[in-house]
Amino acid sequence: GAGVSQSPRYKVTKRGQDVALRCDPISGHVSLYWYRQALGQGPEFLTYFNYEAQQDKSGLPNDRFSAERPEGSISTLTIQRTEQRDSAMYRCASSLGSHNEQFFGPGTRLTVL
Amino acid sequence: AQSVTQPDIHITVSEGASLELRCNYSYGATPYLFWYVQSPGQGLQLLLKYFSGDTLVQGIKGFEAEFKRSQSSFNLRKPSVHWSDAAEYFCAVGGILTNAGKSTFGDGTTLTVKP
Repeated sequence: GAGVSQSPRYKVTKRGQDVALRCDPISGHVSLYWYRQALGQGPEFLTYFNYEAQQDKSGLPNDRFSAERPEGSISTLTIQRTEQRDSAMYRCASSLGSHNEQFFGPGTRLTVL
Repeated sequence: AQSVTQPDIHITVSEGASLELRCNYSYGATPYLFWYVQSPGQGLQLLLKYFSGDTLVQGIKGFEAEFKRSQSSFNLRKPSVHWSDAAEYFCAVGGILTNAGKSTFGDGTTLTVKP
């Protein structure tokens, strides 16, 4: 596709369930980023990849959060044992390289009941 | 640690008036600086970026921003605002050498445009 796509666009889950959020970057983009955005705040960095290698995961809040990009293209952000405080918009972005402009997807709105 | 402050949470301007959105950053070296716009239900779109060179940067939709190292600022300006500019605006800072790829965003400024 022409841009970054994310699925699902909306996810409602019950506390304690695991969720997997998918990001499909722009074809050919080396770098892929995950951010979390709470209402009324700016995006907060979670992690990023160059190709399939996770370069920085310092923003992941705790060990319930993990991300992978096994073939250097599509990425999955997994949240285990979800909690209500995990409710937020999760945004993915990609770029040609880590010093290039980031293109953002529409986000996945996660609601944990 | 890098950080971004956008002092104005909400700004209202009349259509046709000029606009300036403030952004102050904290970073230990020469930063990459960005302005993004987010319309309701949309993803973030890059307006402009500063990497090096001329400190006055031109972007899309008639926006410009000026990097002032002495003031650690990167304010966004537009000479004449259009109703379609109503949106939320985010300033961000990224690293050139360290923290490359890790952008830190401000909390945003919401712009309302009066007819």
